[in-house]
Amino acid sequence: AQSVTQLGSHVSVSEGALVLLRCNYSSSVPPYLFWYVQYPNQGLQLLLKYTTGATLVKGINGFEAEFKKSETSFHLTKPSAHMSDAAEYFCAVNSGGYQKVTFGIGTKLQVIP
Amino acid sequence: NAGVMQNPRHLVRRRGQEARLRCSPMKGHSHVYWYRQLPEEGLKFMVYLQKENIIDESGMPKERFSAEFPKEGPSILRIQQVVRGDSAAYFCASSPPRLAGKAFEQYFGPGTRLTVT
Repeated sequence: AQSVTQLGSHVSVSEGALVLLRCNYSSSVPPYLFWYVQYPNQGLQLLLKYTTGATLVKGINGFEAEFKKSETSFHLTKPSAHMSDAAEYFCAVNSGGYQKVTFGIGTKLQVIP
Repeated sequence: NAGVMQNPRHLVRRRGQEARLRCSPMKGHSHVYWYRQLPEEGLKFMVYLQKENIIDESGMPKERFSAEFPKEGPSILRIQQVVRGDSAAYFCASSPPRLAGKAFEQYFGPGTRLTVT
Protein backbone atom coordinates (compact mmCIF):
# COMPACT_ATOMS: atom_id res chain seq x y z
CA ALA A 1 0.00 0.00 0.00
CA GLN A 2 1.14 3.56 -0.59
CA SER A 3 0.01 6.87 0.82
CA VAL A 4 0.99 10.52 0.93
CA THR A 5 0.58 13.06 3.71
CA GLN A 6 0.93 16.75 3.00
CA LEU A 7 1.27 18.78 6.15
CA GLY A 8 -0.57 22.07 5.91
CA SER A 9 -3.43 22.47 3.49
CA HIS A 10 -2.70 26.22 3.30
CA VAL A 11 0.71 27.89 3.47
CA SER A 12 1.36 31.63 3.28
CA VAL A 13 4.74 33.18 2.61
CA SER A 14 5.92 36.67 1.83
CA GLU A 15 7.27 37.44 -1.60
CA GLY A 16 10.98 36.72 -1.55
CA ALA A 17 10.77 34.36 1.41
CA LEU A 18 11.63 30.68 1.48
CA VAL A 19 8.94 28.28 0.32
CA LEU A 20 8.75 24.94 2.15
CA LEU A 21 5.94 22.51 1.41
CA ARG A 22 6.04 19.27 3.35
CA CYS A 23 5.35 15.79 2.08
CA ASN A 24 5.71 12.45 3.79
CA TYR A 25 5.01 9.17 2.09
CA SER A 26 4.42 5.56 2.93
CA SER A 27 5.49 2.83 0.58
CA SER A 28 6.35 -0.84 0.94
CA VAL A 29 8.94 -0.64 -1.84
CA PRO A 30 11.34 2.08 -3.01
CA PRO A 31 9.02 4.79 -4.29
CA TYR A 32 8.89 7.13 -7.18
CA LEU A 33 7.91 10.59 -5.96
CA PHE A 34 6.45 13.59 -7.73
CA TRP A 35 5.41 17.15 -7.14
CA TYR A 36 2.74 18.68 -9.33
CA VAL A 37 1.42 22.24 -9.44
CA GLN A 38 -2.13 23.24 -10.30
CA TYR A 39 -3.14 26.76 -11.22
CA PRO A 40 -6.81 27.74 -10.95
CA ASN A 41 -9.07 25.99 -13.42
CA GLN A 42 -6.18 24.14 -14.99
CA GLY A 43 -4.79 20.63 -14.96
CA LEU A 44 -1.75 19.46 -13.07
CA GLN A 45 1.74 20.22 -14.31
CA LEU A 46 4.74 18.16 -13.29
CA LEU A 47 7.24 20.21 -11.27
CA LEU A 48 9.79 17.52 -10.57
CA LYS A 49 10.19 13.82 -9.91
CA TYR A 50 12.44 11.42 -8.07
CA THR A 51 12.94 7.95 -9.48
CA THR A 52 16.48 6.79 -8.69
CA GLY A 53 19.91 8.32 -8.28
CA ALA A 54 20.57 11.75 -6.84
CA THR A 55 18.28 12.46 -3.91
CA LEU A 56 18.18 16.22 -4.51
CA VAL A 57 15.99 16.84 -7.49
CA LYS A 58 15.69 20.14 -9.33
CA GLY A 59 12.56 21.06 -11.17
CA ILE A 60 11.02 23.87 -13.11
CA ASN A 61 10.46 27.41 -11.86
CA GLY A 62 13.32 27.19 -9.35
CA PHE A 63 11.79 24.46 -7.21
CA GLU A 64 13.67 21.52 -5.80
CA ALA A 65 12.95 18.61 -3.50
CA GLU A 66 15.07 16.19 -1.51
CA PHE A 67 14.26 12.53 -1.06
CA LYS A 68 15.08 11.44 2.48
CA LYS A 69 14.49 7.75 2.89
CA SER A 70 15.18 7.75 6.64
CA GLU A 71 12.50 10.37 7.17
CA THR A 72 10.18 9.10 4.40
CA SER A 73 9.97 12.68 3.22
CA PHE A 74 10.06 14.55 -0.06
CA HIS A 75 9.68 18.22 0.89
CA LEU A 76 9.46 20.88 -1.82
CA THR A 77 11.46 24.09 -1.49
CA LYS A 78 12.20 27.29 -3.32
CA PRO A 79 14.63 29.89 -1.98
CA SER A 80 12.60 32.96 -2.93
CA ALA A 81 8.85 33.03 -3.54
CA HIS A 82 7.37 34.90 -6.47
CA MET A 83 3.80 36.05 -6.80
CA SER A 84 3.42 33.68 -9.73
CA ASP A 85 4.09 30.72 -7.41
CA ALA A 86 0.65 31.07 -5.86
CA ALA A 87 -1.08 27.81 -6.74
CA GLU A 88 -1.95 24.43 -5.30
CA TYR A 89 0.80 21.86 -4.99
CA PHE A 90 0.36 18.11 -4.91
CA CYS A 91 2.81 15.51 -3.75
CA ALA A 92 2.38 12.05 -5.25
CA VAL A 93 3.88 8.59 -4.85
CA ASN A 94 4.08 5.58 -7.09
CA SER A 95 5.21 2.22 -5.83
CA GLY A 96 3.12 -0.06 -7.98
CA GLY A 97 4.34 -2.03 -10.88
CA TYR A 98 2.17 -0.34 -13.44
CA GLN A 99 2.31 3.34 -12.53
CA LYS A 100 -0.69 3.83 -10.24
CA VAL A 101 -0.10 7.13 -8.50
CA THR A 102 -1.49 8.24 -5.15
CA PHE A 103 -1.85 11.97 -4.55
CA GLY A 104 -1.83 13.98 -1.37
CA ILE A 105 -4.71 16.34 -0.61
CA GLY A 106 -2.73 19.32 -1.81
CA THR A 107 -1.26 22.47 -0.28
CA LYS A 108 -2.47 25.86 -1.39
CA LEU A 109 0.38 28.33 -1.45
CA GLN A 110 -0.41 32.02 -0.95
CA VAL A 111 2.29 34.57 -1.68
CA ILE A 112 1.88 37.88 0.11
CA PRO A 113 3.30 40.99 -1.55
CA ASN B 1 2.90 17.99 -29.88
CA ALA B 2 -0.49 18.77 -28.48
CA GLY B 3 -1.07 18.01 -24.84
CA VAL B 4 -3.79 15.91 -23.31
CA MET B 5 -7.15 17.13 -24.54
CA GLN B 6 -10.36 16.93 -22.59
CA ASN B 7 -13.81 17.97 -23.59
CA PRO B 8 -16.05 19.47 -22.68
CA ARG B 9 -14.30 21.74 -20.22
CA HIS B 10 -17.55 22.40 -18.42
CA LEU B 11 -20.60 20.17 -18.37
CA VAL B 12 -23.93 20.79 -16.67
CA ARG B 13 -26.35 17.93 -16.22
CA ARG B 14 -29.61 17.53 -14.37
CA ARG B 15 -30.02 14.72 -11.91
CA GLY B 16 -30.74 11.47 -13.73
CA GLN B 17 -29.07 12.43 -16.98
CA GLU B 18 -25.95 10.88 -18.43
CA ALA B 19 -22.55 12.57 -18.56
CA ARG B 20 -19.89 11.66 -21.11
CA LEU B 21 -16.39 12.99 -20.62
CA ARG B 22 -13.79 12.61 -23.34
CA CYS B 23 -10.03 12.42 -23.19
CA SER B 24 -7.55 12.34 -26.03
CA PRO B 25 -4.07 11.36 -24.78
CA MET B 26 -0.88 12.88 -26.01
CA LYS B 27 0.40 11.50 -29.28
CA GLY B 28 2.29 8.28 -28.70
CA HIS B 29 0.78 7.68 -25.26
CA SER B 30 -1.03 4.41 -24.78
CA HIS B 31 -1.87 4.66 -21.08
CA VAL B 32 -4.81 6.71 -19.82
CA TYR B 33 -5.84 7.45 -16.23
CA TRP B 34 -8.94 9.13 -14.87
CA TYR B 35 -9.03 11.04 -11.59
CA ARG B 36 -11.74 12.87 -9.71
CA GLN B 37 -11.04 15.99 -7.72
CA LEU B 38 -13.37 17.19 -5.00
CA PRO B 39 -12.75 20.37 -3.03
CA GLU B 40 -10.37 19.82 -0.12
CA GLU B 41 -9.91 16.16 -1.06
CA GLY B 42 -7.15 16.11 -3.63
CA LEU B 43 -7.17 13.80 -6.60
CA LYS B 44 -8.66 10.36 -6.33
CA PHE B 45 -7.65 7.64 -8.77
CA MET B 46 -10.57 6.13 -10.62
CA VAL B 47 -9.37 3.94 -13.46
CA TYR B 48 -6.35 3.05 -15.56
CA LEU B 49 -6.77 1.94 -19.16
CA GLN B 50 -4.71 0.90 -22.09
CA LYS B 51 -6.07 0.57 -25.59
CA GLU B 52 -9.14 -1.69 -25.41
CA ASN B 53 -8.24 -2.86 -21.89
CA ILE B 54 -9.16 -1.80 -18.39
CA ILE B 55 -6.08 -2.45 -16.27
CA ASP B 56 -7.25 -1.18 -12.89
CA GLU B 57 -10.69 0.12 -12.02
CA SER B 58 -10.32 -0.12 -8.26
CA GLY B 59 -11.21 3.54 -7.81
CA MET B 60 -14.41 3.45 -9.82
CA PRO B 61 -17.76 3.44 -8.03
CA LYS B 62 -19.42 0.08 -8.54
CA GLU B 63 -22.52 1.50 -10.13
CA ARG B 64 -23.27 4.12 -12.78
CA PHE B 65 -19.62 4.73 -13.74
CA SER B 66 -17.84 3.14 -16.67
CA ALA B 67 -14.78 3.88 -18.78
CA GLU B 68 -13.41 2.77 -22.09
CA PHE B 69 -10.43 3.42 -24.31
CA PRO B 70 -11.24 2.05 -27.75
CA LYS B 71 -8.76 1.17 -30.44
CA GLU B 72 -9.72 4.32 -32.28
CA GLY B 73 -10.84 7.56 -30.72
CA PRO B 74 -10.69 9.11 -27.28
CA SER B 75 -11.13 7.56 -23.90
CA ILE B 76 -14.62 8.03 -22.49
CA LEU B 77 -15.69 8.28 -18.87
CA ARG B 78 -19.41 7.72 -18.66
CA ILE B 79 -21.59 8.50 -15.68
CA GLN B 80 -25.16 7.32 -15.85
CA GLN B 81 -28.04 8.78 -13.86
CA VAL B 82 -25.90 11.51 -12.36
CA VAL B 83 -26.51 12.71 -8.81
CA ARG B 84 -25.42 15.93 -7.12
CA GLY B 85 -22.55 14.12 -5.43
CA ASP B 86 -21.01 13.50 -8.85
CA SER B 87 -20.28 17.22 -9.20
CA ALA B 88 -16.50 17.48 -9.36
CA ALA B 89 -13.58 18.09 -11.64
CA TYR B 90 -12.57 15.04 -13.61
CA PHE B 91 -9.02 14.88 -14.88
CA CYS B 92 -7.51 12.62 -17.46
CA ALA B 93 -3.80 11.88 -17.63
CA SER B 94 -1.72 9.93 -20.10
CA SER B 95 1.72 8.41 -20.15
CA PRO B 96 3.90 6.75 -22.75
CA PRO B 97 4.71 3.04 -22.91
CA ARG B 98 7.08 1.96 -20.17
CA LEU B 99 9.98 1.37 -22.50
CA ALA B 100 10.01 5.00 -23.61
CA GLY B 101 12.17 6.11 -20.70
CA LYS B 102 9.66 8.49 -19.20
CA ALA B 103 7.05 5.95 -18.26
CA PHE B 104 6.52 7.30 -14.77
CA GLU B 105 5.42 10.77 -15.79
CA GLN B 106 1.76 11.42 -16.21
CA TYR B 107 0.63 14.34 -18.28
CA PHE B 108 -2.64 15.89 -17.28
CA GLY B 109 -5.41 17.44 -19.29
CA PRO B 110 -7.19 20.64 -18.22
CA GLY B 111 -10.10 18.73 -16.73
CA THR B 112 -13.85 18.64 -17.15
CA ARG B 113 -15.87 20.37 -14.49
CA LEU B 114 -19.16 18.58 -14.05
CA THR B 115 -22.00 20.31 -12.31
CA VAL B 116 -25.15 18.37 -11.51
CA THR B 117 -28.20 20.50 -10.83
